[in-house]
Amino acid sequence: DIVMTQSPDLLAVSLGERATINCKSSQSVLYSSNNKNYLGWYQQKPGQPPKLLIYWASTRESGVPDRFSGSGSGTDFTLTISSLQAEDVAVYYCQQYYSTPFTFGPGTKVDIK
Amino acid sequence: EVQLLESGGGLVQPGGSLRLSCAASGFTFRSYAMNWVRQAPGKGLEWVSGICANDGNTYYAGSVKGRFTISRDDSKNILYLQMNTLRAEDTAVYYCAKVTFSTCYAGVDNWGQGTLVTVSS
Repeated sequence: DIVMTQSPDLLAVSLGERATINCKSSQSVLYSSNNKNYLGWYQQKPGQPPKLLIYWASTRESGVPDRFSGSGSGTDFTLTISSLQAEDVAVYYCQQYYSTPFTFGPGTKVDIK
Repeated sequence: EVQLLESGGGLVQPGGSLRLSCAASGFTFRSYAMNWVRQAPGKGLEWVSGICANDGNTYYAGSVKGRFTISRDDSKNILYLQMNTLRAEDTAVYYCAKVTFSTCYAGVDNWGQGTLVTVSS
């Protein structure tokens, strides 16, 4: 199984400041035949189901604010919130869908400093 | 608008069985892969199972393989999860989730509200 790790566990950022979350996979999730990274990012607010933010590691889902961006390739990935808003307080998960089981990272909780 | 409505959760004794259903609407159900993802109380997300569109291939997490069975009825737009030999560690909110494409190898772009399964004596 591919093991996903995230850092940090908890991130406190001031409103308007940048938040950066890291995700690492135990093996590459880059599929060479189409040059796509099989990785997504999700946001989950308390009492709600998760919401897709980013897929193929860097493609923003429709309707997601452009302050959210994804980057990275192979085994190392980053989700960046360029200017943290109050409504961004949530837990963020990465997930690989390169090989089954499609494992999630443990989550990073983002809060306001 | 995509809607996914789970049902069938509840309290069950260890060793018991339960069948979850997910009624889908707002999209061409038969054209998309579907997943079940669960979340134990206060814990993170765990992918449980997936079923592809077209070929109907199925995949399972190791923790449920041999005990859970995913299936779909494309004529009724319903996704199922048959859960047998339930254990306390299966206690979780179970989410029905629509995959972005027909292939199983893609992310989830829509989620249901979830149904709670509690395994306890």
